[in-house]
Amino acid sequence: SQQGEEDPQALSIQEGENATMNCSYKTSINNLQWYRQNSGRGLVHLILIRSNEREKHSGRLRVTLDTSKKSSSLLITASRAADTASYFCATDAGTGGGNKLTFGTGTQLKVEL
Amino acid sequence: ETGVTQTPRHLVMGMTNKKSLKCEQHLGHNAMYWYKQSAKKPLELMFVYSLEERVENNSVPSRFSPECPNSSHLFLHLHTLQPEDSALYLCASSQEVRSNEQFFGPGTRLTVL
Repeated sequence: SQQGEEDPQALSIQEGENATMNCSYKTSINNLQWYRQNSGRGLVHLILIRSNEREKHSGRLRVTLDTSKKSSSLLITASRAADTASYFCATDAGTGGGNKLTFGTGTQLKVEL
Repeated sequence: ETGVTQTPRHLVMGMTNKKSLKCEQHLGHNAMYWYKQSAKKPLELMFVYSLEERVENNSVPSRFSPECPNSSHLFLHLHTLQPEDSALYLCASSQEVRSNEQFFGPGTRLTVL
């Protein structure tokens, strides 16, 4: 199976609620990134967390990383309808300074009014 | 989306056609990437270019031929494609191959009949 796997595959919540998505990976990493993709569009970088970091915040986003469990979570607080999108984790396990990102299959988030 | 642009946005072609996808980045980046995104599958890295030199070819069939005439432009030449090649083709760029954040274009939705 692929390096990054998101869980759940799909999530539907009400506006104002928090959304939590999880990502598991298999190999050691340099960093882990989260991207968002609106339907049929390109990906947008949200946040990067390095292997020596445990938690990072950006606005309404909170990312955690547990390298012992090879897992990460993305929390979106006070969700809005505009947060409806697919969310992907991507791991950078490159050696020699290369940047080869391996993406998961994504979590489809739907935020309803 | 003005950072990385892709044309055309949609393309329908027969298996015997020859077509090209174009990507242009206006960010002054030195690295460019082609990805393939198929339904229910993780994003697949196809090619990586650094300063117009191909640094990675991820076992992509020869019916896909990339070209990078300068650091701002990237092409993907297509010929004799198969229906299973139908997908969203995404172009991305980053400051350097070693940079952490990649910037994506909106993609070309390709349908092979």
